[in-house]
Amino acid sequence: AAGVIQSPRHLIKEKRETATLKCYPIPRHDTVYWYQQGPGQDPQFLISFYEKMQSDKGSIPDRFSAQQFSDYHSELNMSSLELGDSALYFCASSGESTGMGTDTQYFGPGTRLTVL
Amino acid sequence: DQQVKQNSPSLSVQEGRISILNCDYTNSMFDYFLWYKKYPAEGPTFLISISSIKDKNEDGRFTVFLNKSAKHLSLHIVPSQPGDSAVYFCAASDGGSNYKLTFGKGTLLTVNP
Repeated sequence: AAGVIQSPRHLIKEKRETATLKCYPIPRHDTVYWYQQGPGQDPQFLISFYEKMQSDKGSIPDRFSAQQFSDYHSELNMSSLELGDSALYFCASSGESTGMGTDTQYFGPGTRLTVL
Repeated sequence: DQQVKQNSPSLSVQEGRISILNCDYTNSMFDYFLWYKKYPAEGPTFLISISSIKDKNEDGRFTVFLNKSAKHLSLHIVPSQPGDSAVYFCAASDGGSNYKLTFGKGTLLTVNP
């Protein structure tokens, strides 16, 4: 079965640079979530989109922005990168295609961002 | 303020025995609970979930129990297999807040052959 796809899998950036992470949800899933997992931490919710509209916002810095496009893929844009932004960034998607309801989120493999 | 708590950072069991992973929560608005399994450098893999209207859900070797009055849930794995060795995250969502997940800090399960 198709899963959530994230690209790139690894990204190395310098401080103050920008980064764009991409997420392709499971086909027919209409909701996308972004999470950040620091070293030894639990994943923290950043932002979510439902039907291309922002549905919820968590502890996302103002330097970050995101959007969901007409094909339901999403991009997380990160500017003025700081050392503390180094983390795993997960995208998850949900929808009714699996019959599980909209509460079950399926995660991608993550993008490991390293800021030097 | 950790709204989902997994108080055991690690658990070690013998192959074939039962693994019991525990999770407590403080937010009474949570109405859907999930368990994810995670290997290093991979994304969390969904295992099993339970709605707050149920007290038990079973899927093969995995059973989740929910005690709403105690705000406690547990994941039972029977029989445990070496391939079950991973970090297990408990997560909860509140349908009224667009289903974002709040995670516990995870429990590292090691199943010894």
